[in-house]
Amino acid sequence: DAGVIQSPRHEVTEMGQEVTLRCKPISGHNSLFWYRQTMMRGLELLIYFNNNVPIDDSGMPEDRFSAKMPNASFSTLKIQPSEPRDSAVYFCASSFGTRGRGYTFGSGTRLTVV
Amino acid sequence: RKEVEQDPGPFNVPEGATVAFNCTYSNSASQSFFWYRQDCRKEPKLLMSVYSSGNEDGRFTAQLNRASQYISLLIRDSKLSDSATYLCVVNMAGSARQLTFGSGTQLTVLP
Repeated sequence: DAGVIQSPRHEVTEMGQEVTLRCKPISGHNSLFWYRQTMMRGLELLIYFNNNVPIDDSGMPEDRFSAKMPNASFSTLKIQPSEPRDSAVYFCASSFGTRGRGYTFGSGTRLTVV
Repeated sequence: RKEVEQDPGPFNVPEGATVAFNCTYSNSASQSFFWYRQDCRKEPKLLMSVYSSGNEDGRFTAQLNRASQYISLLIRDSKLSDSATYLCVVNMAGSARQLTFGSGTQLTVLP
């Protein structure tokens, strides 16, 4: 099992540019989560999908952020336009089944907006 | 009040020591509980689930007190490799598959 795969591992971009983060969940997992982690705010849930359908996007900071899951094996998180305050580590995680199970996280994308 | 609260530490302990972390959660109807471990610049990884009866995995023991809405993690005979941030995680009632993460407790085991 390859685990949750995220790309890119690191991204440095200029303010105002579009950034797209990618995630491939574990095969067979039916829930996918995007988190953002900063020193100040810890791990924050941005959005989660169940069976490819967005269920709760209340954590998405503003309209500059959007997420899609076109199929069970791929999801994207897009920031357009990016701002320096978006600099953080973005994690994707997936899980299967009941709430009694934990998540498996990807290695994260470290985003720096300059 | 935060939904999941932890003492941020840092805890600095000598190798071989026993160390305990505590966590409280706000929603009394919460249903699932976990401890995650996060190494520096890495992703969080599931350490263990926490069951009502308490559970043990090697040197690690987790306890749940539903009446006090309190979770604990005990690490015995700590190793240098135990140095990490430990995250208390709760599945809040009514939140389906969403997990709420505490801000973490930092542990450094010293030689």
